[in-house]
Amino acid sequence: KNEVEQSPQNLTAQEGEFITINCSYSVGISALHWLQQHPGGGIVSLFMLSSGKKKHGRLIATINIQEKHSSLHITASHPRDSAVYICAVTRNAGGTSYGKLTFGQGTILTVHP
Amino acid sequence: GAVVSQHPSRVICKSGTSVKIECRSLDFQATTMFWYRQFPKKSLMLMATSNEGSKATYEQGVEKDKFLINHASLTLSTLTVTSAHPEDSSFYICSARALGGLFEQYFGPGTRLTVT
Repeated sequence: KNEVEQSPQNLTAQEGEFITINCSYSVGISALHWLQQHPGGGIVSLFMLSSGKKKHGRLIATINIQEKHSSLHITASHPRDSAVYICAVTRNAGGTSYGKLTFGQGTILTVHP
Repeated sequence: GAVVSQHPSRVICKSGTSVKIECRSLDFQATTMFWYRQFPKKSLMLMATSNEGSKATYEQGVEKDKFLINHASLTLSTLTVTSAHPEDSSFYICSARALGGLFEQYFGPGTRLTVT
């Protein structure tokens, strides 16, 4: 079982819909990251959070440390939101593991006009 | 925001040659840079952690003599794929953690390597 699990793996939506992508993890973490990767390959860091909730434009990220669960929400989705969304965690282990990211398998989002 | 560049963005080379990929932090100093490899439709796989002025720490299964990493300054790390073979064809991405930063990582745009 992967240490970071995302669901769903694939998500198709119509423009304007509210979208939720989930991430569950099984290890102790210092921070959780939501990343976006467009077809060209470049990765953009959307959020880094260790508690509570963050909002940036139409994107909202929440995390529940006790339940080891995070969600990424997209309100009023648009075709340009189509991308792969990746959840990653910074483990709180010390030594050589410090700062390393452990990645989920990604969620492929397609938003149709 | 913090910007990380990679050069080249795409490279095609012949089997047996070596290829160098540069990762630069443009507006901040990076004590640590990470090198990842991504296979098609797969998530990122950490290859090595590069700390300025010291030897890189490689993940299990990654050949350090095959993938040479140098982090000579606080703004530049290089990955050299030596004696490249077609199976080395992949998408290579670096990320950088800022001096004094905790967990934030800034990603480069990636380099597509094709070995013929």
